[in-house]
Amino acid sequence: AQSVTQLDSHVSVSEGTPVLLRCNYSSSYSPSLFWYVQHPNKGLQLLLKYTSAATLVKGINGFEAEFKKSETSFHLTKPSAHMSDAAEYFCVVSLYNQGGKLIFGQGTELSVKP
Amino acid sequence: DAGVTQSPTHLIKTRGQQVTLRCSPISGHKSVSWYQQVLGQGPQFIFQYYEKEERGRGNFPDRFSARQFPNYSSELNVNALLLGDSALYLCASSLLTSGSRDEQFFGPGTRLTVL
Repeated sequence: AQSVTQLDSHVSVSEGTPVLLRCNYSSSYSPSLFWYVQHPNKGLQLLLKYTSAATLVKGINGFEAEFKKSETSFHLTKPSAHMSDAAEYFCVVSLYNQGGKLIFGQGTELSVKP
Repeated sequence: DAGVTQSPTHLIKTRGQQVTLRCSPISGHKSVSWYQQVLGQGPQFIFQYYEKEERGRGNFPDRFSARQFPNYSSELNVNALLLGDSALYLCASSLLTSGSRDEQFFGPGTRLTVL
């Protein structure tokens, strides 16, 4: 079965410091992995996606993630946090044999202190 | 270009009632998926439709049903509402040309409250 586990329910950083949001996945196939962000009272926005091309994936707003098959991880990073990054972040796996059904992690709430 | 639109934005119902939620996909997208997001959790897959055919169904009771129209818009129906159906219902559309690699674009959601 395919699943994702987000290792932290809440992460707090200071503005200007690095961000690390951790995600481990489980998949019998070569997975397609995504990170989505959800700001309060807003819909979900795609940050970046991995689909078996380059293992280091660059997304919007300075975010990037590295696919590590040996560790079954897909952690999200950003060198310098901005106040506007405060939001809920979801690590997501897409089911290979079910036409794109998305399985979401439980989410990580990112707080950014001034 | 308009993104995915959903209506209504908010809805309040009482237990036992029925509700219909609506979704219009991005122009050119033929696949629509529905997700339920309970407060404090990640979205859970309910249905996927492609070219008016059901392509996938999540672990939800038969009280939940959906359909897709010739213009690719979709409706989600929930009968005999329970308190536990209170959630944000999200609609997503995609091209579905490369299966699991396609990006899904989400609408702002419909907030359903069941009293």
